[in-house]
Amino acid sequence: GESVGLHLPTLSVQEGDNSIINCAYSNSASDYFIWYKQESGKGPQFIIDIRSNMDKRQGQRVTVLLNKTVKHLSLQIAATQPGDSAVYFCADKPGFQKLVFGTGTRLLVSP
Amino acid sequence: GAVVSQHPSWVICKSGTSVKIECRSLDFQATTMFWYRQFPKQSLMLMATSNEGSKATYEQGVEKDKFLINHASLTLSTLTVTSAHPEDSSFYICSASPDQPQHFGDGTRLSIL
Repeated sequence: GESVGLHLPTLSVQEGDNSIINCAYSNSASDYFIWYKQESGKGPQFIIDIRSNMDKRQGQRVTVLLNKTVKHLSLQIAATQPGDSAVYFCADKPGFQKLVFGTGTRLLVSP
Repeated sequence: GAVVSQHPSWVICKSGTSVKIECRSLDFQATTMFWYRQFPKQSLMLMATSNEGSKATYEQGVEKDKFLINHASLTLSTLTVTSAHPEDSSFYICSASPDQPQHFGDGTRLSIL
């Protein structure tokens, strides 16, 4: 992830809509990618991960897409619910090196 | 599985006080734990890697004498903020895991008056 750390982008959606949260990473050696959800006052919660030998992985209501050519990662949330409101972080990890977090995106879901 | 517990969740203290934060792996052994710091509306920044039985590895710019890390057992790492000042006020989060992905504690909100 590219952690600029100065401003948190916000995505506002209506309940029931599909949400797409995007992330760019910079290290072409990264081979493992994770999405975390962080609610206010809590630690990050694991959502879904993907390795570099895949370009898509699906979970329950969530899908992660990986485009290694442009170093881009996205998280798709189907039928977004108010409980999905949180800050979402992508993180990437090259081999045995440390996890690097992206800037984060705040998702606001209106009923 | 892979539950990480952090204590305390919130602490307020006077400037000059030292504060200890605990990070425990509840259902697995962790030879490595990670300590992060997070300012409001910002991402997590890795402070240090805590290694059981050996010295912690600190990230560039993190004062090791300011942020003391002890990883004396396979289930406990502690971060002590020594002589804390208002600029040390932040959200401190630890993580650990037996394998990928990393699992995080619920963080400690530190407020220095």
